[in-house]
Amino acid sequence: QVQLVESGGGLVPPGRSLRLSCAVSGFTFSSHVMHWVRQAPGKGLEWVAFISSDGNNKYCADSVKGRFTISRDNSKDTLYLQMDSLRVEDTALYYCLTAGGYWGQGTQVTVSS
Amino acid sequence: QSALTQPASVSGSPGQSIAISCTGTSSDVGGYDYVSWYQQHPGKVPKLMIYDVNNRPSGVSNRFSGSKSGNTASLTISGLQAEDEADYYCCSYTSSSTFVFGTGTKVTVL
Repeated sequence: QVQLVESGGGLVPPGRSLRLSCAVSGFTFSSHVMHWVRQAPGKGLEWVAFISSDGNNKYCADSVKGRFTISRDNSKDTLYLQMDSLRVEDTALYYCLTAGGYWGQGTQVTVSS
Repeated sequence: QSALTQPASVSGSPGQSIAISCTGTSSDVGGYDYVSWYQQHPGKVPKLMIYDVNNRPSGVSNRFSGSKSGNTASLTISGLQAEDEADYYCCSYTSSSTFVFGTGTKVTVL
């Protein structure tokens, strides 16, 4: 069955970096557009970034532009989100998902001093 | 990119029909037929209910339907059931090649 498993979250002080990973199985990863979406505690969903199936096209939300980079390794069936210059307002549960509606369980990122 | 506008809450009695609106601009909702809807129960992962304005993924009840008129998309739930009580979010593709979610609507079954 389709599985998406995020990892790499944690507690970091402002200004530091984290790299999230999303390992997928059960479908042909290299054929699918992938997204990152986040949800701050008690808040709504916020779209973060997406990447085309071949990795050549990438787009990010204005709130993370210049700080976050989405990438993928189709040979490893893995999606990444490199998060630099983290801010307190980046604190959220980060989900990876396919365009077809499959979601992971999320990984928690907490930015606090 | 500003969030799409949804009513904070919508309620209805079991068996009734309700509609949730999602208002954007000609640069997002009105410009593309790429509107999707997600259902999220408390503490759970969101679930795709509608994609491309009015298409249901396999396994989603036909009580859920989507539509769009101008810059406003809508999700209609017919035959409201207790299990439909959840938060609902719309999402649209934008002219900047990005996506934007709505503000979210809490559906209450009276």
